[in-house]
Formats: sequence, C-alpha cells, structure tokens
Amino acid sequence: KNQVEQSPQSLIILEGKNCTLQCNYTVSPFSNLRWYKQDTGRGPVSLTIMTFSENTKSNGRYTATLDADTKQSSLHITASQLSDSASYICVVSAGGYNKLIFGAGTRLAVHP
Amino acid sequence: DTAVSQTPKYLVTQMGNDKSIKCEQNLGHDTMYWYKQDSKKFLKIMFSYNNKELIINETVPNRFSPKSPDKAHLNLHINSLELGDSAVYFCASSSTSVFDTGELFFGEGSRLTVL
Repeated sequence: KNQVEQSPQSLIILEGKNCTLQCNYTVSPFSNLRWYKQDTGRGPVSLTIMTFSENTKSNGRYTATLDADTKQSSLHITASQLSDSASYICVVSAGGYNKLIFGAGTRLAVHP
Repeated sequence: DTAVSQTPKYLVTQMGNDKSIKCEQNLGHDTMYWYKQDSKKFLKIMFSYNNKELIINETVPNRFSPKSPDKAHLNLHINSLELGDSAVYFCASSSTSVFDTGELFFGEGSRLTVL
C-alpha cells in the first residue's frame, strides 16, 4: 500500500533555531517527491520538487534531501522565522498527478 | 492577483441540501483538479479535467459532479449533502496532465460544514 508518513506530528521551536522534518514513504513506482507549506486556512504552496536522481534541493532557508534507497526525505529549515509557522506536507508521486500520495503533515510552530 | 481562486471560502449548510463551489485559474493552465482534505489533514484527489475534459475520476460518490465550462474554470456541485462531506475542498491547476514534475498550484480552499 502506498503510504507517506511524516514525523514529528507537531513541533515547537524558538525563532532563529533550525529544525528538521522527516518523511518516510512506501510508494512504488517512484516519480518525484515534493514538500509543500500550508499556512492555516490557506492552500498548500510548493517548496521543492525532487526526482529520483536528485538528493538535495534548496529554496531559500528550506533544504530538502532525498534518499531514494532508504525511501526517506527530510526538510531542514534554517534560522526559523515566525512566518515559518505552518504545516509542512510531504507528497510522493507514483507517476502522474492522479497518483500523488500526501502525508498528513508536520505542524510547526515558531515562537518568539 | 490570485492564481487559483475559489468561492465561497466558507459554506455551512444542512444535510440534504445541494451546493456548489466555484474555481477559476488565471495561469493559462490546461489541467485543473479538485482535492478533498479531511479532518486528518490528508489531501486526496477527487477529479481532474484537462482542457474541459474529465481525465481522472477517483472513487467519489456520484453526488459529486464537476463541471468545466472552459479550461480556466472547474466547478464542483454536490447533491444531497451528508455529514461526511464536511471537509476542506481545494481546487488546483497545473500546466500539464501527463508529466507530473511541474508545479501544482492550489487555491485557498473552501471549508464545507454540513449540519
């Protein structure tokens, strides 16, 4: 069964600190892996998209890594800001937009 | 300028009623989608239209009927609403339906509450 599991479910950090969110997946075949940021009451916004051959991709203070062998990905946030408070959703594609498997997300709260 | 806009943002209604959610995208994309986000926060695809034609229809009750008058619009009509239909519905669009390595743009969501 295709699944995407994220950990932790929720996380609280202080402003300026770094954090790492984890994503494990059992999706086959594998096409690509995405990280989305979803602010409360808003739609998801894409942060990174990685294909099988990419093992790291950055978008500003966000850096995603992918280990296709162990089927794990992480999202590292550097020097967190209050505006980073959101849910971060890992999405794995089994090939095609109708085969996007969404994780439940990690809810991050950045406190001053 | 909102790329993918949906209305209404909030909808509260009684069981058995019929309601519609509208979606418009100004990105010039050919493909539009409806997703449902349940209470556990998982997003699941419901429908996909490419240039006004249905290309994906996941297992959803036939009470849900999408309509695409043109490639910039994809509306969702729901008949005989049930309590389990309460969720946040997201419209999305992409420039292509075949290759999925491109960006997928989401609307702000429409929170439906069925009483």
